[in-house]
Amino acid sequence: DTEVTQTPKHLVMGMTNKKSLKCEQHMGHRAMYWYKQKAKKPPELMFVYSYEKLSINESVPSRFSPECPNSSLLNLHLHALQPEDSALYLCASSQDEGFVNPGDSGNTIYFGEGSWLTVV
Amino acid sequence: AQKITQTQPGMFVQEKEAVTLDCTYDTSDPSYGLFWYKQPSSGEMIFLIYQGSYDQQNATEGRYSLNFQKARKSANLVISASQLGDSAMYFCAMRGGVSNFGNEKLTFGTGTRLTIIP
Repeated sequence: DTEVTQTPKHLVMGMTNKKSLKCEQHMGHRAMYWYKQKAKKPPELMFVYSYEKLSINESVPSRFSPECPNSSLLNLHLHALQPEDSALYLCASSQDEGFVNPGDSGNTIYFGEGSWLTVV
Repeated sequence: AQKITQTQPGMFVQEKEAVTLDCTYDTSDPSYGLFWYKQPSSGEMIFLIYQGSYDQQNATEGRYSLNFQKARKSANLVISASQLGDSAMYFCAMRGGVSNFGNEKLTFGTGTRLTIIP
């Protein structure tokens, strides 16, 4: 079973709605991530949080707003989305944002079950 | 820049047979890690196995093993005695290096869809 939990599993929202995706990890990891995955494509990085601070924003539109309330929680606030934003949103975590020496299995990034988002 | 190449878009394998999923990579960094993930149709991205660039032995995790050929920049996943539950999309990925900013991000290949036939 995954130790990164995401809610909701499925979300349908209108283009004028405001909703949030939630993610929680209890592995003591210091880095958390949001990825977006379209059908038949690999995941694409959106945001990275390190020690609860936003470290990387991959030029994501402002209608996606991340938040890290504490070291275990990561939210993605959604507002005024477009139908093309429909996708699988994956949360992930790792011990640290950086890549430590190759012999350290702490480099592994663990993903959650994902939230399937449909914008209508 | 790092790059991962998976040349098999889809594979069909008979149940109980072994299967090899191909992965080649490109990086100028001597320090990196290679990962394999499994993604069933439910969407969850499941970590399978990790290989560090300085590891002398191939990584193994239960029925999964990683055939690491560093000189050829190859990191193939081998699944022994395949099961119906192995049907999924499989992604090869890498991250690493301190010499190139941005290489700490996880770079994915395009994936291989594996279907196990009863």
